[in-house]
Amino acid sequence: DTEVTQTPKHLVMGMTNKKSLKCEQHMGHRAMYWYKQKAKKPPELMFVYSYEKLSINESVPSRFSPECPNSSLLNLHLHALQPEDSALYLCASSRQGSRDPLHFGNGTRLTVT
Amino acid sequence: GNSVTQMEGPVTLSEEAFLTINCTYTATGYPSLFWYVQYPGEGLQLLLKATKADDKGSNKGFEATYRKETTSFHLEKGSVQVSDSAVYFCALPLTRTNTGNQFYFGTGTSLTVIP
Repeated sequence: DTEVTQTPKHLVMGMTNKKSLKCEQHMGHRAMYWYKQKAKKPPELMFVYSYEKLSINESVPSRFSPECPNSSLLNLHLHALQPEDSALYLCASSRQGSRDPLHFGNGTRLTVT
Repeated sequence: GNSVTQMEGPVTLSEEAFLTINCTYTATGYPSLFWYVQYPGEGLQLLLKATKADDKGSNKGFEATYRKETTSFHLEKGSVQVSDSAVYFCALPLTRTNTGNQFYFGTGTSLTVIP
């Protein structure tokens, strides 16, 4: 069982839709992450939140908008996506130490039509 | 900066065969090293880790030793099972600090175990 919960598991959206991905963890981790993973590729970092503040944005297009309402929750708001944005979106959390691993959720499989 | 080079796949083995997946790293200092596994339809799970040179990480019959002299962290298992079929990623933290643990992931090695 994963300790990072992501909803929904699957999402199909049109290019004009607005939708949100949600992530929750109750491990007391103060760093949370969004990753994008295409088929047969490693995860690519999108955003990092540290103590509820956005600390890293890896030049992600503005049609992806992250939000961290509190230390347990992380959202990714989606608007006007393109078909090439179809991917598995993974949320992760970690403690702040440099030797601590990432803990991943099972992801949201997004399809943009 | 830090990076890893991982053995290309895919790898196909018969059940009970010996598995090695090679991973070499380039790093400033001595970061922790990790192996993650991704089963079909799931996220990445931490398989094992080693935090310093000569450490051996182990879990579920898998082992990897942090070798400073060869800058390697090869994953091994003595007898694979069908349930080990998955994609395996070698990973290490990047050098940025105070912003959470940003990881560099290897390209992934797909393993299929046939009965």
